Amino acid sequence: GDSVTQMEGPVTLSEEAFLTINCTYTATGYPSLFWYVQYPGEGLQLLLKATKADDKGSNKGFEATYRKETTSFHLEKGSVQVSDSAVYFCALRNDYKLSFGAGTTVTVRA
Amino acid sequence: DVKVTQSSRYLVKRTGEKVFLECVQDMDHENMFWYRQDPGLGLRLIYFSYDVKMKEKGDIPEGYSVSREKKERFSLILESASTNQTSMYLCASSMDRENYGYTFGSGTRLTVV
Repeated sequence: GDSVTQMEGPVTLSEEAFLTINCTYTATGYPSLFWYVQYPGEGLQLLLKATKADDKGSNKGFEATYRKETTSFHLEKGSVQVSDSAVYFCALRNDYKLSFGAGTTVTVRA
Repeated sequence: DVKVTQSSRYLVKRTGEKVFLECVQDMDHENMFWYRQDPGLGLRLIYFSYDVKMKEKGDIPEGYSVSREKKERFSLILESASTNQTSMYLCASSMDRENYGYTFGSGTRLTVV
């Protein structure tokens, strides 16, 4: 079945540092890929998505590129802020279902 | 602004009670989902529905049931609440297209005592 593996956290960074969260997937066919973010005490919000190979999704300074050859969708941000502290989930969608990675907790210190 | 609304943010129930968690979406989405989120276990799919009166079991349906009488409303029912059902419950909806993500509600934190 479909599965998503993302790097384990927690990740702690200083403000303005570079952030990378690795995500790889296993799926049949051609899934769409997503990154979601969950701020403390809230539900999940869609951060960005990519629907086909070599697409780059971007939002709020975050980027991720759909790499079919390496089955990866790594999340990056060049300069993080304290407000980026959250849990980040990589996900793929095949048919109805969205399959999630375990989530990576990111804490940014001032 | 489009949204998914969960009726309660926090809920405390007693063991053995029948519990209803309500979710309403205003986006005319075909698909609706219930997940539970637990530390270390991530998000696990309980049930989903791809049309009115239709339902499908997810990965952990035991101890739960669902109801979808109207397109905009998807209810999760705990027939007899137990302490191991203490969790954060997240409802989501989506269009019936594979390149669409889900829109999530804010979650209901249920504590069963």
